[in-house]
Amino acid sequence: DARVTQTPRHKVTEMGQEVTMRCQPILGHNTVFWYRQTMMQGLELLAYFRNRAPLDDSGMPKDRFSAEMPDATLATLKIQPSEPRDSAVYFCASGSGTSYTEAFFGQGTRLTVV
Amino acid sequence: DQQVKQNSPSLSVQEGRISILNCDYTNSMFDYFLWYKKYPAEGPTFLISISSIKDKNEDGRFTVFLNKSAKHLSLHIVPSQPGDSAVYFCAANDGGSNYKLTFGKGTLLTVNP
Repeated sequence: DARVTQTPRHKVTEMGQEVTMRCQPILGHNTVFWYRQTMMQGLELLAYFRNRAPLDDSGMPKDRFSAEMPDATLATLKIQPSEPRDSAVYFCASGSGTSYTEAFFGQGTRLTVV
Repeated sequence: DQQVKQNSPSLSVQEGRISILNCDYTNSMFDYFLWYKKYPAEGPTFLISISSIKDKNEDGRFTVFLNKSAKHLSLHIVPSQPGDSAVYFCAANDGGSNYKLTFGKGTLLTVNP
């Protein structure tokens, strides 16, 4: 059963702490997206990778957020330092790069920064 | 500035009736539109899409209508079923090759038995 796996599912942390969210894309997929869902903004694209190279991270606050793909099986989104306004659900999605309909979302990481 | 707007945060309908979810957009460069469905504690899943060269696309109980002059699209679900209860997101792309989607804030649909 191919699926995008995100860890952790839930994270509560104190303001100022570093947070790392991980994503295992579906095997063979070469496109990875990071989205953030908030009540105010809905779903926002933070970063987009193709073949492990970042193609668009314009939606990401550069001073505290960073996204990487150390290898084809792992994508990471890091926040340092975290702030209460970062509280949201963070989704990773992967696809084969040929169609939007083939982008599969993970279950998300619910981050709470207190 | 929201380029894709779903002005109804929630909608409640009776089982068997029609559900109509609306979406407006402001960017005239958008030429491909999608609807995603999201259950609690799960990620969004693709539901149906429409290209700007069409004004209607149908898939089973789901139909999406596009009115380009009004910059408006709608999703019709007929007949509605309790299992359709979920958050529905409208999304759009401007035809670039980067597959970047702009999403609305979502509409929570509740179908009552």
